[in-house]
Amino acid sequence: DQQVKQNSPSLSVQEGRISILNCDYTNSMFDYFLWYKKYPAEGPTFLISISSIKDKNEDGRFTVFLNKSAKHLSLHIVPSQPGDSAVYFCAASGNNDMRFGAGTRLTVKP
Amino acid sequence: DAGITQSPRHKVTETGTPVTLRCHQTENHRYMYWYRQDPGHGLRLIHYSYGVKDTDKGEVSDGYSVSRSKTEDFLLTLESATSSQTSVYFCAIRFGDTEAFFGQGTRLTVV
Repeated sequence: DQQVKQNSPSLSVQEGRISILNCDYTNSMFDYFLWYKKYPAEGPTFLISISSIKDKNEDGRFTVFLNKSAKHLSLHIVPSQPGDSAVYFCAASGNNDMRFGAGTRLTVKP
Repeated sequence: DAGITQSPRHKVTETGTPVTLRCHQTENHRYMYWYRQDPGHGLRLIHYSYGVKDTDKGEVSDGYSVSRSKTEDFLLTLESATSSQTSVYFCAIRFGDTEAFFGQGTRLTVV
């Protein structure tokens, strides 16, 4: 049962533009959400998170939005930079466990 | 470096043999997780632990068992390795409702 879904396997944007990565979840017990970035041959690294009591959290170029009624979250990166090119995973946690989506490969073109 | 170490980093094993992967942390975090990463599937949760001797199954637990006899170590055992268990395995640690920190991964090949 895939409780966290990232329906876009890949996304390509131009440097300086906005990147929007989307994520949907099905389990209403999830109350904390996270985004991770992953380069090949490395473990995922934490980017930004949001609690279910908020609808937005911002950290520099990265903003995460949470729509609880739609069970949807998104990550906005603005402006996008070539160094942002990586695979991005969203994660949802609750009741001790933590589930991830399948990832979106972001390519930022110079 | 979040104080999490996976061993071994690479392993090739034969079908039918048991294999144990180790995750060691120096952070005294309560939660520990084992995931496998496969193309098209992202990170799938195998098992997790929320304390010493407290473990639970994730979404792909068949063929795997875990043990956590002390806070710092979380062991993942493939009871009888199969080719479908060829994957990259990641361990993660977490204090509470905070971010999780990942190890560097173990690349396991079952031949």
